[in-house]
Amino acid sequence: DVKVTQSSRYLVKRTGEKVFLECVQDMDHENMFWYRQDPGLGLRLIYFSYDVKMKEKGDIPEGYSVSREKKERFSLILESASTNQTSMYLCASSLFPGESSYEQYFGPGTRLTVT
Amino acid sequence: AQSVTQLDSQVPVFEEAPVELRCNYSSSVSVYLFWYVQYPNQGLQLLLKYLSGSTLVKGINGFEAEFNKSQTSFHLRKPSVHISDTAEYFCAVLYILTGGGNKLTFGTGTQLKVEL
Repeated sequence: DVKVTQSSRYLVKRTGEKVFLECVQDMDHENMFWYRQDPGLGLRLIYFSYDVKMKEKGDIPEGYSVSREKKERFSLILESASTNQTSMYLCASSLFPGESSYEQYFGPGTRLTVT
Repeated sequence: AQSVTQLDSQVPVFEEAPVELRCNYSSSVSVYLFWYVQYPNQGLQLLLKYLSGSTLVKGINGFEAEFNKSQTSFHLRKPSVHISDTAEYFCAVLYILTGGGNKLTFGTGTQLKVEL
């Protein structure tokens, strides 16, 4: 059974703190993604990676960075958390194009609150 | 640029009634289309996808969708809904990148609420 896990379901941090959100997949997928989900806005892509040590900016990268040192792990970093980064964060992974159905597999999400 | 429009933010429906959730997309290239479902406090799960071939696509839990190129639509339908179908539904368009990799553009979601 395919599995994408995220380090925390709920997280509360203070403004200005450095925050790490971890995502691990056990499917040997090349592509990994970080989204944030906000009511009325759907899912918006923050960053993605299609190989180890590779990263690409998504639609809303400001205030975030990422790290992919191993194929199975993709970390999202908030260098200095702000209240407007309070949101649900979803991680996903998929195979390289052409190898399968392009399906993205999602983790359960981390609800981050910045106070 | 690709974009996805889900005009209905909420759709209330009675149990056993049919439902249609609307999705329109804009894209200048060939499209790959998806519907995902999110149950409360869970991540997203694939319902169905259109990559090529038959324009009528069947998915899990009795859902189906029809790709209509001329109307740039990919509406989701179910002939008879159940209470357990209460969830948020997202339409998405896949964008294949020239350098490799792919990314999805999502609509804003439609909350389906099934009532007794």
